[in-house]
Amino acid sequence: EAQVTQNPRYLITVTGKKLTVTCSQNMNHEYMSWYRQDPGLGLRQIYYSMNVEVTDKGDVPEGYKVSRKEKRNFPLILESPSPNQTSLYFCASKVRGIGVGNQPQHFGDGTRLSIL
Amino acid sequence: AQSVTQLDSHVSVSEGTPVLLRCNYSSSYSPSLFWYVQHPNKGLQLLLKYTSAATLVKGINGFEAEFKKSETSFHLTKPSAHMSDAAEYFCVLSNDYKLSFGAGTTVTVRA
Repeated sequence: EAQVTQNPRYLITVTGKKLTVTCSQNMNHEYMSWYRQDPGLGLRQIYYSMNVEVTDKGDVPEGYKVSRKEKRNFPLILESPSPNQTSLYFCASKVRGIGVGNQPQHFGDGTRLSIL
Repeated sequence: AQSVTQLDSHVSVSEGTPVLLRCNYSSSYSPSLFWYVQHPNKGLQLLLKYTSAATLVKGINGFEAEFKKSETSFHLTKPSAHMSDAAEYFCVLSNDYKLSFGAGTTVTVRA
């Protein structure tokens, strides 16, 4: 089954304790991305990756890191989490393409992070 | 720059009546537009997409949307709401690497 898998689904942690949220896709997609969802703001892009070893900042990258060493994995790293990073996080992937070739993104089920 | 505005943060309808969710966009190039639905405690599910083919796009679960370039709009409709349509809906503008989401419209359906 084609899917994007995020782990963990839920995490409660404390300020300053490094954490990693993993994301894996089994569709051989070149493109992967991370979003955070906050009430009234929709989803905002944190980082994206066009392919292996190619990453770039989205709209809200501060406080986050990513890496893309393998095509299927795109972990999100919070080196020193703070309470304002409490949010619902989604990973997504898609085949690259523009115009009529622009394909929709496939989303994981989300990771709810609470940072105390 | 690209942006999406969903004109209603909340829509309430009676079961069996039409649903209209409004979306305006701003884009300096020919847009790709999508509607996603998010049920409580779930991920995002694609309802439909517009990628410069037909301007009237049919999606899943009886939803459809019409792309109007002159009005820069991509409104979502359904002729008859069902209780299972209660969810949050997002209008999304995309280029190859960036998605811009609207703030979302929460739909409640009254029995």
